Amino acid sequence: DADVTQTPRNRITKTGKRIMLECSQTKGHDRMYWYRQDPGLGLRLIYYSFDVKDINKGEISDGYSVSRQAQAKFSLSLESAIPNQTALYFCATSDQRRQGGDTQYFGPGTRLTVL
Amino acid sequence: GQQVMQIPQYQHVQEGEDFTTYCNSSTTLSNIQWYKQRPGGHPVFLIQLVKSGEVKKQKRLTFQFGEAKKNSSLHITATQTTDVGSYFCAGVTASGTYKYIFGTGTRLKVLA
Repeated sequence: DADVTQTPRNRITKTGKRIMLECSQTKGHDRMYWYRQDPGLGLRLIYYSFDVKDINKGEISDGYSVSRQAQAKFSLSLESAIPNQTALYFCATSDQRRQGGDTQYFGPGTRLTVL
Repeated sequence: GQQVMQIPQYQHVQEGEDFTTYCNSSTTLSNIQWYKQRPGGHPVFLIQLVKSGEVKKQKRLTFQFGEAKKNSSLHITATQTTDVGSYFCAGVTASGTYKYIFGTGTRLKVLA
C-alpha cells in the first residue's frame, strides 16, 4: 500500500552494527506494527504501538527496540545485528477507530541481510 | 502459546482446479482477516469475517468463519495463474490481552 512507506528497502550490514528501519504512513491510522517474515514462515510480531505514548512487545522483541516519534512514524532498531536477524521486515498500520479496525495495511517491506 | 495453523503449507494445482486452505486457531477469535501476499510482495487485505458461521464471497473466492470462531477457510473456484501467492489468515484473540495473530500461511502455485 503506497500510504505506508519503509526505508530502506534493502540493507546489507555486518554483525554487531546498529541498524534502524523506518516506517511512515499517511493513512492517519493510530496503530502501527513491526513484523518479521522468514522464508516459509508466517509473520511474527516484534513490537506494536497503539498511539504515540504506547509501545508493546510482540512475540519476538528480544534484540529489537522501537520508537514512535509521531503518529505517522514508527522506527525499528537492531542494537547489535546478528545473522539470525536476516529476514524480511514489514511495517503495518491499522485504525481501531473504524469499523473493521483490526485490518492491517502493510508497507512494501525491508529486506535485511546481516553478514 | 496461542497459535494459528494453516493447512496445507504448500499446494500446487493445475489451472482451473479448485483450492482450499484451512485456518485453525488454538483459541477463540473475535474476528478473522484474510490476506494475500504475491511473490516478492507484501500482504494485502482481502476480507474480514466477524460473525460465527459467516460466509462471504468475492468473485471466485469464498470465505467461511467457523461456528466456534476458532477456524476458517478460503476456497478458490477454478484457479487462475493470477491466484499464485501465499494466503494468510489472521485474527484477534477473543479474551485476555489484545493479541493479533497471523496464521502460518499457505503457498499456492498454479500450473498453466
